[in-house]
Amino acid sequence: DQQVKQNSPSLSVQEGRISILNCDYTNSMFDYFLWYKKYPAEGPTFLISISSIKDKNEDGRFTVFLNKSAKHLSLHIVPSQPGDSAVYFCAAMVETSGSRLTFGEGTQLTVNP
Amino acid sequence: ETGVTQTPRHLVMGMTNKKSLKCEQHLGHNAMYWYKQSAKKPLELMFVYSLEERVENNSVPSRFSPECPNSSHLFLHLHTLQPEDSALYLCASSHTSARRDTQYFGPGTRLTVL
Repeated sequence: DQQVKQNSPSLSVQEGRISILNCDYTNSMFDYFLWYKKYPAEGPTFLISISSIKDKNEDGRFTVFLNKSAKHLSLHIVPSQPGDSAVYFCAAMVETSGSRLTFGEGTQLTVNP
Repeated sequence: ETGVTQTPRHLVMGMTNKKSLKCEQHLGHNAMYWYKQSAKKPLELMFVYSLEERVENNSVPSRFSPECPNSSHLFLHLHTLQPEDSALYLCASSHTSARRDTQYFGPGTRLTVL
């Protein structure tokens, strides 16, 4: 039973445009969400997070939106750059259960020059 | 460089072999984790070690045996593995295992079981 799902295995966008990566979850107990980015031959690196008490968190070109009623979150990257090409993982946790992360399958983003 | 190193980066082993994966973190963290990523599947938490707790995922077969001799080192001992155990094994660390502490990942060990 996969509790965090990223239904798009890949996404291709043009440099300068907006990239939107989506993530759905089923466990209503999740109250903290994160996005990680992974380049080939490297481990995932933390990108941005959001608590369930918020519906938006912004950090430079990266914004994460949370829709609790729909159990959906999205990561917006604008403007997209070729260096953003990587696999993006959505992850979720129940804060009171410690740091056990439940990950999605990942979405391969390709930003074309 | 994330401060978390893993060796070896690649490992090929037979089903009767015994091998160990090593993880070392240079971040002064007190919690360490093993994750498994199989092809086209999400990262799956296998084990958590910290000053506060040691957590083992009950779904992990006993042919995987973790060892955490101190807060900087974490091992995953492998014996009599199966071909379906072939995967990317990632180590991570965080300040504590509590709440929102960001996890920092190593580059992973690509394991192939023949």
